[in-house]
Amino acid sequence: DIQLTQSPSSLPAFVGDRVTITCRASQDISNYLAWYQQKPGKAPKLLIYAASTLQSGVPSRFRGSGSGTEFTLTISSLQPEDFATYSCQQVDSYPLTFGGGTKVEIK
Amino acid sequence: QVQLVESGGGVVVQPGGSLRLSCAASGFTFNNHVMHWVRQAPGKGLDWVAFIDYDGNTEYYADSVKGRFTVSRDNSRNTFYLQMNSLRGEDTAVYYCAKDREENYYSYYMDVWGKGTTVTVS
Repeated sequence: DIQLTQSPSSLPAFVGDRVTITCRASQDISNYLAWYQQKPGKAPKLLIYAASTLQSGVPSRFRGSGSGTEFTLTISSLQPEDFATYSCQQVDSYPLTFGGGTKVEIK
Repeated sequence: QVQLVESGGGVVVQPGGSLRLSCAASGFTFNNHVMHWVRQAPGKGLDWVAFIDYDGNTEYYADSVKGRFTVSRDNSRNTFYLQMNSLRGEDTAVYYCAKDREENYYSYYMDVWGKGTTVTVS
């Protein structure tokens, strides 16, 4: 199984900060990676797919990059509604797997 | 609008018991989309459970549920299902159904999710 390791697990930040979350895959997954945002008690929301393609309706302050085994999600200027948990997902091979999540918290 | 609504959870099941979850879809051409079940144990990350293709001929399962869970769909009812047998404590989670992003293609990216239904095994 492909393991996805996210760092950091917790990220305290201020509104307006630029934040970067990393997702490392245990093997090469090309660009077969998605990022999801999840708020407490809510379902996940697709932000980015194919490593860097913004899902329709997602603000442009979200940016995904990377390929192979290292990927990043960057939020250029953190907004109050962005405080949430972010998870990466690989779709290169079965079983589909998710990273452990990064909680972006108010500093 | 595009919507997925899970049902069948919200109950406590004894270990070894069975439960069937349903996911009712609306607002899109259901039989053109692969569908997924994803779960989340309390305080834990997301855990993919299973997927079923457009006509139900292809299914894949996580190793943790293989042989115990079965996914199926009824395209005439725009509904798909997760039959869970031999339930264990570690199956306790919120179960989400999710729609594959692409039509007539296996993208595995999930762009629409239900609100989730809780399964407690105790």
